Amino acid sequence: DAGVIQSPRHEVTEMGQEVTLRCKPISGHNSLFWYRQTMMRGLELLIYFNNNVPIDDSGMPEDRFSAKMPNASFSTLKIQPSEPRDSAVYFCASILGGGEPGELFFGEGSRLTVL
Amino acid sequence: AQSVAQPEDQVNVAEGNPLTVKCTYSVSGNPYLFWYVQYPNRGLQFLLKYITGDNLVKGSYGFEAEFNKSQTSFHLKKPSALVSDSALYFCAVRDRGAGNKLTFGGGTRVLVKP
Repeated sequence: DAGVIQSPRHEVTEMGQEVTLRCKPISGHNSLFWYRQTMMRGLELLIYFNNNVPIDDSGMPEDRFSAKMPNASFSTLKIQPSEPRDSAVYFCASILGGGEPGELFFGEGSRLTVL
Repeated sequence: AQSVAQPEDQVNVAEGNPLTVKCTYSVSGNPYLFWYVQYPNRGLQFLLKYITGDNLVKGSYGFEAEFNKSQTSFHLKKPSALVSDSALYFCAVRDRGAGNKLTFGGGTRVLVKP
């Protein structure tokens, strides 16, 4: 299995530009999570989906952030417009939910720098 | 609400010495508890989990953790640390009634010196 695949791995953009981060979860996993990691705030849960449906988006910082999961094999996290304080590493993770809790599998992350 | 505290930002240990990384948690019900490790420029990797049963859980790379319900703790341990264990370690908790939502602690950086 290829694991959770995220793209791009690195993104450098200017303030005000739209940023789209992409994630392909592990095939068969039915829950997907977006996390943000910064030195100041650590690892924060932004949003998670069960069976492509957003369950908890209370961690999404503000209206500039949006996430979609149009099907079981693809999700996007969009920031529009981007700001320097959005600079962080964004992780996508997936899990096979239900039954005994299994391990959460993380992608390698997308490092975003907003100038 | 569920939360995790890792009281130490960094732990320094000499190679060959025992390693302990502390974690305490708070949940409204019974917890599922996890440890993950992160190497530089990588995603988090699963180490071990506590679901039920034996309070001592053994995981990958010689790590183990002990669940202590009365102290609401789940400390990570390794009897003999290796330089290659140097990484960022995260404790995480999931309330059994909270769906799949996993809450992570702030992380503890472990530095093992030769």
